[in-house]
Amino acid sequence: AQKVTQAQTEISVVEKEDVTLDCVYETRDTTYYLFWYKQPPSGELVFLIRRNSFDEQNEISGRYSWNFQKSTSSFNFTITASQVVDSAVYFCALSFIQGGSEKLVFGKGTKLTVNP
Amino acid sequence: DTGVSQNPRHKITKRGQNVTFRCDPISEHNRLYWYRQTLGQGPEFLTYFQNEAQLEKSRLLSDRFSAERPKGSFSTLEIQRTEQGDSAMYLCASSLVQGAAEQYFGPGTRLTVT
Repeated sequence: AQKVTQAQTEISVVEKEDVTLDCVYETRDTTYYLFWYKQPPSGELVFLIRRNSFDEQNEISGRYSWNFQKSTSSFNFTITASQVVDSAVYFCALSFIQGGSEKLVFGKGTKLTVNP
Repeated sequence: DTGVSQNPRHKITKRGQNVTFRCDPISEHNRLYWYRQTLGQGPEFLTYFQNEAQLEKSRLLSDRFSAERPKGSFSTLEIQRTEQGDSAMYLCASSLVQGAAEQYFGPGTRLTVT
């Protein structure tokens, strides 16, 4: 079965702190994709990153970085020097191909609050 | 380039009534997905279209739910005889056909069944 676990329900930090959001996934597929989405208070899910199962290179985009480790089935997300605008719910998701579709299986999300 | 749009944004209905939601995907995207999100949870997959063909339906999609994408462009999701348990945010997403391409989400339709 495909499953994504985000053990941290809520995290609260003070602006400029670094914060890491954890994501652990389960799948029997050898080919799969991992995603992170941001859901700000306005509600619309915003795509942040996609990573395929064959590419374990870490990625950095501005203040965001992602650490993918197949050995531990983890795909963690770090925000460096957090800002108030980073406050949102962050979802990790797993995509796999079944029956022709590529549906996303989401974790329950981590609510990040960045205080000024 | 406009994003995914959904209408209405909010819908309040009485139990037993039928409701219909509309999703307009990004114009060049031929894949369209419907998800449902309840409070404190991540979105859950409901159904998927490639062009006008509905290729998969989740077990979450009871017989009261039906979705269409008649010309491979916009899609509608209808819920018949609504129940209080149907109250949720209904999200639509679209993507290109290219191996687990990222899905772009609309703002959602929040349904409240009283």
